[in-house]
Amino acid sequence: DQQVKQNSPSLSVQEGRISILNCDYTNSMFDYFLWYKKYPAEGPTFLISISSIKDKNEDGRFTVFLNKSAKHLSLHIVPSQPGDSAVYFCAARESGTYKYIFGTGTRLKVLA
Amino acid sequence: NAGVMQNPRHLVRRRGQEARLRCSPMKGHSHVYWYRQLPEEGLKFMVYLQKENIIDESGMPKERFSAEFPKEGPSILRIQQVVRGDSAAYFCASSPNRAGSGGLNTEAFFGQGTRLTVV
Repeated sequence: DQQVKQNSPSLSVQEGRISILNCDYTNSMFDYFLWYKKYPAEGPTFLISISSIKDKNEDGRFTVFLNKSAKHLSLHIVPSQPGDSAVYFCAARESGTYKYIFGTGTRLKVLA
Repeated sequence: NAGVMQNPRHLVRRRGQEARLRCSPMKGHSHVYWYRQLPEEGLKFMVYLQKENIIDESGMPKERFSAEFPKEGPSILRIQQVVRGDSAAYFCASSPNRAGSGGLNTEAFFGQGTRLTVV
């Protein structure tokens, strides 16, 4: 049972354009959401997070949007850079628990 | 402040041997998580530990797998009698507080992983 879903396994974007990565979840008890970036042969690195009491959080080129009614969140990267090419994982944590549930990842390729 | 340290980075074991994966959390972190990533898949939660306590092991296979986080020393993920299907990247993460306790939301910081290959 995949509680966190990233339905697009890959995405290609031109340098300078916007990258939009999507994530859907099924558990209404999730109250904290995170995005991680992962390069090959490295561990995931934290990018940005959002609490369920907010609908938007911005950090530089990265913005995360949360639509609770649709159980959907998205990560926007503007402008996209070649160094952003990596696998992006969406993660969620259920209120009162301690584990982060990850999606299967979306491989972003930013073309120069 | 060193990050989460995992060793070894690569581990090769023959079927039937034991694999021991080590994780030292970030300084000041007392919460450790283990995740497994199979080829072409996402990160699957295995276990969450605090010092000397297993808090949630709902993602651990029922047999051959065990984890500990002693009072002193690193957290250990132990796989007995390894099989080819155990080949994966195993990631450890740590966080500074207990998520969901009413404290501040916080992210988990990941190590670089141990790539286990069973031959």
